[in-house]
Amino acid sequence: AQSVAQPEDQVNVAEGNPLTVKCTYSVSGNPYLFWYVQYPNRGLQFLLKYITGDNLVKGSYGFEAEFNKSQTSFHLKKPSALVSDSALYFCAVRDGRDSNYQLIWGAGTKLIIKP
Amino acid sequence: ETGVTQTPRHLVMGMTNKKSLKCEQHLGHNAMYWYKQSAKKPLELMFVYNFKEQTENNSVPSRFSPECPNSSHLFLHLHTLQPEDSALYLCASSQESGLTPGELFFGEGSRLTVL
Repeated sequence: AQSVAQPEDQVNVAEGNPLTVKCTYSVSGNPYLFWYVQYPNRGLQFLLKYITGDNLVKGSYGFEAEFNKSQTSFHLKKPSALVSDSALYFCAVRDGRDSNYQLIWGAGTKLIIKP
Repeated sequence: ETGVTQTPRHLVMGMTNKKSLKCEQHLGHNAMYWYKQSAKKPLELMFVYNFKEQTENNSVPSRFSPECPNSSHLFLHLHTLQPEDSALYLCASSQESGLTPGELFFGEGSRLTVL
């Protein structure tokens, strides 16, 4: 079965420290992987995606994610956290063999950056 | 206006009421989506329209009725809802080429409360 797991409901990081938000997935075919961010009372915003090619993907606001096929992971990272990075982060995957538009979503991880 | 616009932002309705949510995208995209977002749960895809044709209907109860009159507008008609339907309803759009998936652009959502 296709699934996405974000094992941490909440991640707390001090400002200036590196941050990691974890995501693992399970699909039958090659995965298309996405990260989105949601600020309070707002819709989701696209951060970055992995389709093919380089395993390290760079996105908006200084975020990056590394695709690891053997560990079926796509963790989101940032070298130095800002208080303004505090938000809800969602990982999503689409099976490359599917012709439909179904994204499988994680339940989200709340990131709190403390000054 | 740019992006994806949803109205109303907040809606309170009784179980016997009939109301509609509206979504408009100004991005020239060819696919539009309705998602339901409940706290601490993955986003639930409700409906997908591609080139105005409905391509996905994920077993959504008939009390939710979508309408896509053109590629820029999407409605969600609501009638005889239940309190458990209270949630944030998100509209999104994307440009789908059939080769690789496009990223989703979300509206800010319509917060629905059913009394």
